Amino acid sequence: EPEVTQTPSHQVTQMGQEVILRCVPISNHLYFYWYRQILGQKVEFLVSFYNNEISEKSEIFDDQFSVERPDGSNFTLKIRSTKLEDSAMYFCASSVQGQGYTIYFGEGSWLTVV
Amino acid sequence: SQQGEEDPQALSIQEGENATMNCSYKTSINNLQWYRQNSGRGLVHLILIRSNEREKHSGRLRVTLDTSKKSSSLLITASRAADTASYFCATGYNQGGKLIFGQGTELSVKP
Repeated sequence: EPEVTQTPSHQVTQMGQEVILRCVPISNHLYFYWYRQILGQKVEFLVSFYNNEISEKSEIFDDQFSVERPDGSNFTLKIRSTKLEDSAMYFCASSVQGQGYTIYFGEGSWLTVV
Repeated sequence: SQQGEEDPQALSIQEGENATMNCSYKTSINNLQWYRQNSGRGLVHLILIRSNEREKHSGRLRVTLDTSKKSSSLLITASRAADTASYFCATGYNQGGKLIFGQGTELSVKP
């Protein structure tokens, strides 16, 4: 069964550094998402991406964050100037269409900022 | 707030028993999806139910949706120790497909 794959599974970074989290969505999917889950808290929406542009973003997704689809298969989340509070599990997800379709999540990338 | 709320927050049962988890939300939805998460792992999709549907089944899972009460329930029948996980409902509202997650129910099934 097709899967959303994410790399790295775990990254430790120094405060102030930039990180790039990578995702390969399911191949025929058109909508891509990033969510995060701070330890012990609920899953929070960050951003949705469709047709090579952001379709919606949350208040969390400020200028520190950016997303890109650099080629036909990868979808990346860049976090600039990381802070301690950015430590979380970041999930990539995709769906074949938007509203009303199953959203499939990857295994996540644990980001630890020290 | 559109946020969903799950109830109970934690549930402990014996293997073989049924587990029922509830989810409530505040505004009209397009669809509601249930996910399972094992500790530290990804979100596994269980069932999607659309706003014009009242009940769906998948194996040992049964999901109901009552849009008049803005609530949904997930029933796991004949539970197994492997069902031990956190279960989340997530509500979908808009064209872009964004989901709003609840706090989750932590299910523990004892062998």
